[in-house]
Amino acid sequence: EIVLTQSPGTLSLSPGERATLSCRASQSVRSTYLAWYQHKPGQAPRLLIHSTSSRATGIPDRFSGSGSGTDFTLTISRLEPEDFAVYSCQQYDTSPITFGGGTKVEIK
Amino acid sequence: QVQLVQSGAEVKKPGSSVKLPCKTSGGALRGYSITWVRQAPGQGLEWMGRIFPLVGVADYAQKFQGRVTISADRSTSTAYIAYMELSSLRSEDTAVYYCAIEAAAGPFDPWGQGTLVTVSS
Repeated sequence: EIVLTQSPGTLSLSPGERATLSCRASQSVRSTYLAWYQHKPGQAPRLLIHSTSSRATGIPDRFSGSGSGTDFTLTISRLEPEDFAVYSCQQYDTSPITFGGGTKVEIK
Repeated sequence: QVQLVQSGAEVKKPGSSVKLPCKTSGGALRGYSITWVRQAPGQGLEWMGRIFPLVGVADYAQKFQGRVTISADRSTSTAYIAYMELSSLRSEDTAVYYCAIEAAAGPFDPWGQGTLVTVSS
């Protein structure tokens, strides 16, 4: 199975700062099949990005995704208070579908 | 817009089974599946399996083969209840279990709010 490794584990930033989250795959993932989710305690996870760089419906443009092959990045251009959460990448290219371990973005 | 509603928290004994419902509404789900994902404390998300409700066909992650059964009943033309049953529970199965809608070869969107299952003697 494809193992997704996210880094860093925790990112401590202030509102207004830029967040850069990394997702590295153990083997190549086709760009169409890489997604990012945001999740907060007690809430349903929310799809942010699919197909590496396409924002889901209603997602603000401060969220952007990029990458190819084995290296993918989620960027939050200017952190808003509601953006402090856990972010997970997912590959749905090869069965079984797998997720990364998550990056927690916390307030510094 | 499809919505998913899950049930409240459960506490189970080791060796027992749990059967979790996931009620969908607002969409006929043609071409979609209902998928199940869990998250154990301090761990990442883990895909368990899916069902195509229109045809009743399910498939499972190899890790859970033989221990998980996913099924679905049609309530109305645009509402389903999916079930995920996990047997032979052990403490490592303590997790929040989510259902979600999975587009064909697509991401998961939307998700249910999750059900916490605690396995403890």
